[in-house]
Amino acid sequence: DAGITQSPRHKVTETGTPVTLRCHQTENHRYMYWYRQDPGHGLRLIHYSYGVKDTDKGEVSDGYSVSRSKTEDFLLTLESATSSQTSVYFCAISGQGSSYNSPLHFGNGTRLTVT
Amino acid sequence: DQQVKQNSPSLSVQEGRISILNCDYTNSMFDYFLWYKKYPAEGPTFLISISSIKDKNEDGRFTVFLNKSAKHLSLHIVPSQPGDSAVYFCAARLGGGSNYKLTFGKGTLLTVNP
Repeated sequence: DAGITQSPRHKVTETGTPVTLRCHQTENHRYMYWYRQDPGHGLRLIHYSYGVKDTDKGEVSDGYSVSRSKTEDFLLTLESATSSQTSVYFCAISGQGSSYNSPLHFGNGTRLTVT
Repeated sequence: DQQVKQNSPSLSVQEGRISILNCDYTNSMFDYFLWYKKYPAEGPTFLISISSIKDKNEDGRFTVFLNKSAKHLSLHIVPSQPGDSAVYFCAARLGGGSNYKLTFGKGTLLTVNP
């Protein structure tokens, strides 16, 4: 699994509550990403990070924020969860520093249900 | 506006035969293409990739073909095995940048029947 751990693996929460998902890597890779997977939509990029404290938005960033205070951890926060954020969330890392064409490697996902 | 399209939601083939998964893209600035395989309850795993300067890349049973003029790529699996049953995602990267953001298709569910 390329040294990527996502926690929790499953979570059920109520609408309006804050939720934080964690991604931890042991590969010392510079780039980290959060994607969501939904039926009929494939994988869509939420936010990504290109270094400690350096983050940027992806294509579906509304309602989400991220933080990266150290290389190994990338946090995704839903400030006030909505039912539309029910999804499977995947963290990915990239060892682009070693090769421009190195692919992304994904964690096993967090299944989030907002009731 | 979907830039990477996998128009077949599912595909069923017999074990030992060839599986062909197709992907179309609209952005001519994509310079690198990848295929990922995903089993249920797991994350996507990288399968094979191809640079836009090539038209074919082969790795064991897996071959990816790129037709730039048609903005089309395909993944061939020969021979198909039951363990190949999974969702396959096509992905593309915009060239010229220093980061590595991928745009994914919606995926194709491949079922290989024994």
